[in-house]
Amino acid sequence: NSKVIQTPRYLVKGQGQKAKMRCIPEKGHPVVFWYQQNKNNEFKFLINFQNQEVLQQIDMTEKRFSAECPSNSPCSLEIQSSEAGDSALYLCASSRGQDTQYFGPGTRLLVL
Amino acid sequence: GQQVQQSPASLVLQEGENAELQCNFSSTATQLQWFYQSPGGSLVSLLSNPSGTKHTGRLTSTTVTKERRSSLHISSSQTTDSGTYLCAIDISNTNKVVFGTGTRLQVLP
Repeated sequence: NSKVIQTPRYLVKGQGQKAKMRCIPEKGHPVVFWYQQNKNNEFKFLINFQNQEVLQQIDMTEKRFSAECPSNSPCSLEIQSSEAGDSALYLCASSRGQDTQYFGPGTRLLVL
Repeated sequence: GQQVQQSPASLVLQEGENAELQCNFSSTATQLQWFYQSPGGSLVSLLSNPSGTKHTGRLTSTTVTKERRSSLHISSSQTTDSGTYLCAIDISNTNKVVFGTGTRLQVLP
């Protein structure tokens, strides 16, 4: 079973507010991914890190999100100004490399 | 061994031709998803198709769960379709997603 921890499980924010979620990757996994999962169970890659460095991110993430994976602290993903369309399940996954990814339970964000 | 195998490893087409990508997997999967990774590295989901046939735009995916295989058909390819196509399965009840090695598609003008 996955040992990736995500908090909080649920998050409710108003439009324009910041929304921050955290992820503790599985021990020994240097690579961390964030995905946004929609109602159709499809998940969109947002950003990934290797140790503390950003490997890849999409334009939306770069423009509207703040993300980091400091050493000895949880990784975090923060939407700077929430929009209704940001309502989704945000999944964190960790991996030893680029193949198998172990997912956390997700943070479900609702933007009112 | 590799749980998710994709073929071909690479494919070169002329614009307008169709592409057929294959994915075979060895574990029971509750979810199968096709991803596109751009040459710049960004990864986006194309569609999820655990069984049956699903269409979106120029893409058609057919998954035969019992035979543990899925295909992705790209019709009328465009140069902007160039990139790597990844098949990923969600292993039943584990929250684990396993990616294949990908098919690198190059569409020439």
